[in-house]
Amino acid sequence: DQQVKQNSPSLSVQEGRISILNCDYTNSMFDYFLWYKKYPAEGPTFLISISSIKDKNEDGRFTVFLNKSAKHLSLHIVPSQPGDSAVYFCAATAGTYKYIFGTGTRLKVLA
Amino acid sequence: DTGVSQDPRHKITKRGQNVTFRCDPISEHNRLYWYRQTLGQGPEFLTYFQNEAQLEKSRLLSDRFSAERPKGSFSTLEIQRTEQGDSAMYLCASSLAKASGGQNEQFFGPGTRLTVL
Repeated sequence: DQQVKQNSPSLSVQEGRISILNCDYTNSMFDYFLWYKKYPAEGPTFLISISSIKDKNEDGRFTVFLNKSAKHLSLHIVPSQPGDSAVYFCAATAGTYKYIFGTGTRLKVLA
Repeated sequence: DTGVSQDPRHKITKRGQNVTFRCDPISEHNRLYWYRQTLGQGPEFLTYFQNEAQLEKSRLLSDRFSAERPKGSFSTLEIQRTEQGDSAMYLCASSLAKASGGQNEQFFGPGTRLTVL
């Protein structure tokens, strides 16, 4: 049972444009959501998070939006840069320490 | 470097052998986690320590797996009688639990890639 789903395995975006990565979840008990970025041969790197009491959190070029009614969150990267090319994982947790990860979306930013 | 470190980075072993991995968390972090990641999947939770106490083990962690965190510092993950299905990236993460509660992001190490032949 995949509680956190990233339905797009890959995404290509032109440099300077907006990248939008999507994530859906099924467990209504999730109350904290995170995005991690992963480069090859490295561990996941924390990017940005959002609590379920908010619907938006912004950090520089990265913004996460949460739509609780739709059980959907998205990560916006504006403007996209070639260095953003990586695999992006969304993760969720239900008041605990155990993160449930999606399967990842490979973002390629074209110069 | 004050991040999470893992050793070794790569391990190739034959089926039936035992392997042990080590994780050194960020020094002030009191929580330590092990995850496993297979190709095309996200990391899957295996187990979690608060200081030296192992507080939860996933059903993914069969009896052949054992994890320890003596003295609440570094942790080891041992796999006995390895099987080809154990081939994966084993990730360690750490975080700092605040007395006031709330969420604290987990910081991941580079992982140990295990290949069982």
